Amino acid sequence: DARVTQTPRHKVTEMGQEVTMRCQPILGHNTVFWYRQTMMQGLELLAYFRNRAPLDDSGMPKDRFSAEMPDATLATLKIQPSEPRDSAVYFCASGPPASTDTQYFGPGTRLTVL
Amino acid sequence: DQQVKQNSPSLSVQEGRISILNCDYTNSMFDYFLWYKKYPAEGPTFLISISSIKDKNEDGRFTVFLNKSAKHLSLHIVPSQPGDSAVYFCAASVNNAGNMLTFGGGTRLMVKP
Repeated sequence: DARVTQTPRHKVTEMGQEVTMRCQPILGHNTVFWYRQTMMQGLELLAYFRNRAPLDDSGMPKDRFSAEMPDATLATLKIQPSEPRDSAVYFCASGPPASTDTQYFGPGTRLTVL
Repeated sequence: DQQVKQNSPSLSVQEGRISILNCDYTNSMFDYFLWYKKYPAEGPTFLISISSIKDKNEDGRFTVFLNKSAKHLSLHIVPSQPGDSAVYFCAASVNNAGNMLTFGGGTRLMVKP
């Protein structure tokens, strides 16, 4: 049963600290998405990769957030320095080569910045 | 400017009755629409989709209706079951946009036994 995995599932950190979230997309999928879910905004797209190349990161605060795909099996989202307003659930999703628009989501990382 | 809107943040329905979740969009380029369901502490899971060449798609208890002229779609669940209680997200995409989706804010459905 292929699934998107995300680590850690929960992270509590103090303001100013660096946070790194990791995602393993489903094998064979060539698109990866990072979303943030907040109470007010629903699911916000932060970044989007296709074949490991970043295609859209317009939703991401560039001064503190960065997203990378070091290889096809790993995507990372980094926040440095973290702020209390970054507290949210961060989801990674992957999609198969574009024959469908269906995305498959991971379980999310719940981030709390104190 | 939200291109996909779900104006009802929550909906409560009695078990066995019909649940109707609504979604409006503004971008006339959208031509593919999806519904995702999300349980607490889990990621959203794909539920049902519809292409703009259709006005209805049915899968068991779930039916999605699309009204292109009104830029409106709805998800009907009948009969509703307590296990359907979840947050439902509407999403839309432009064909050949490489899986990129625009999501609505979600509607929390509560089905009471």
